[in-house]
Amino acid sequence: DQQVKQNSPSLSVQEGRISILNCDYTNSMFDYFLWYKKYPAEGPTFLISISSIKDKNEDGRFTVFLNKSAKHLSLHIVPSQPGDSAVYFCAAIDNTGNQFYFGTGTSLTVIP
Amino acid sequence: EPEVTQTPSHQVTQMGQEVILRCVPISNHLYFYWYRQILGQKVEFLVSFYNNEISEKSEIFDDQFSVERPDGSNFTLKIRSTKLEDSAMYFCASSGWLAGGQGFNEQFFGPGTRLTVL
Repeated sequence: DQQVKQNSPSLSVQEGRISILNCDYTNSMFDYFLWYKKYPAEGPTFLISISSIKDKNEDGRFTVFLNKSAKHLSLHIVPSQPGDSAVYFCAAIDNTGNQFYFGTGTSLTVIP
Repeated sequence: EPEVTQTPSHQVTQMGQEVILRCVPISNHLYFYWYRQILGQKVEFLVSFYNNEISEKSEIFDDQFSVERPDGSNFTLKIRSTKLEDSAMYFCASSGWLAGGQGFNEQFFGPGTRLTVL
């Protein structure tokens, strides 16, 4: 069963515009949500997180929004840069803290 | 900057053979993890390890899999008798302390080992 879902396998955005990556989850017991970025031939790299008690967290060009009632989170990248082109994984941690659940990833291409 | 390292970067093996994938987590981290990603699919959790024992494991982590921290630095994943469907990218990760009520610290991932089972 897929507890974390990313329904868009790919996204293309013009440089300078906003990139919005979406993620849905099913388990209301998740405590933290995270976004990871992955370049080819590298491991995932942590980008930004949000606690389940918040609805927004911002770090520079990256903002994560959490809508608990809809079990939905999104990552906004503004402005998008060509170096942002990568696969972005949404992940969630349950309240035991021992297991991360990953989505299938969204491949973002930022066009110069 | 400290990083998680993994060796080898690519392992090719015959079906039925044993493989050991090696990881060196970040030195002051206490929690260790293995994940795998079959080509074109999602990153899947395999196992978490803390205080020299398995904390949690997924359904994928059956009797063919085992993990070990043989010394103070290495963390290994052993597959006893490899199957074709074990072909995947295997990622090791480590983190500083437990998430949830005790606070949060993200996992740091290694670059992965590509396992090819022929």
